Amino acid sequence: GAVVSQHPSRVICKSGTSVKIECRSLDFQATTMFWYRQFPKQSLMLMATSNEGSKATYEQGVEKDKFLINHASLTLSTLTVTSAHPEDSSFYICSASSQPNSYEQYFGPGTRLTVT
Amino acid sequence: DAKTTQPNSMESNEEEPVHLPCNHSTISGTDYIHWYRQLPSQGPEYVIHGLTSNVNNRMASLAIAEDRKSSTLILHRATLRDAAVYYCIQRPLFGNEKLTFGTGTRLTIIP
Repeated sequence: GAVVSQHPSRVICKSGTSVKIECRSLDFQATTMFWYRQFPKQSLMLMATSNEGSKATYEQGVEKDKFLINHASLTLSTLTVTSAHPEDSSFYICSASSQPNSYEQYFGPGTRLTVT
Repeated sequence: DAKTTQPNSMESNEEEPVHLPCNHSTISGTDYIHWYRQLPSQGPEYVIHGLTSNVNNRMASLAIAEDRKSSTLILHRATLRDAAVYYCIQRPLFGNEKLTFGTGTRLTIIP
């Protein structure tokens, strides 16, 4: 199946700094990518939908100025957590689909963010 | 958002079949039923999906009730590697591709 990678897999940063997480589709072109956040023992919460070449669509309650998403190419989307705080510590997961209305989404392995 | 309900947790013995239930009483005629699973500290992975007919693939089988208000994911012979959280998701066929995850069922396999 198709492969989605994320980098880094783990990151620790200090409060107030910004962190960038990359999501890449390795063997297919992803017209749409999704960003999720998962707190311990909880389910995945969709943060935003990212379409190549256009602005991301954020879910209700997600601050677009805090979580900057850029989908500059068909194989790369980035999520930047700006001015991170300890409450932003979470597991961030991206997914991608290779074509509109594709029945399967391919998920990355996730990025564990810890803000100290 | 489309809502499914699943038991919070289930246990099964290794090498025995596992039946994971899901209720989706508000499902519309064009909604598909998707199953994903998430192994510990990993992203979710696709398992199977269906509309009306029962479906089989190399990972599992999906049995869909005639009224489509419930379905059951069947793992024919559970292994320790099947221990994961299993998510049942309603998703429209057309348009919006996003997946809305519920709480899922945490499956524990007993050696």
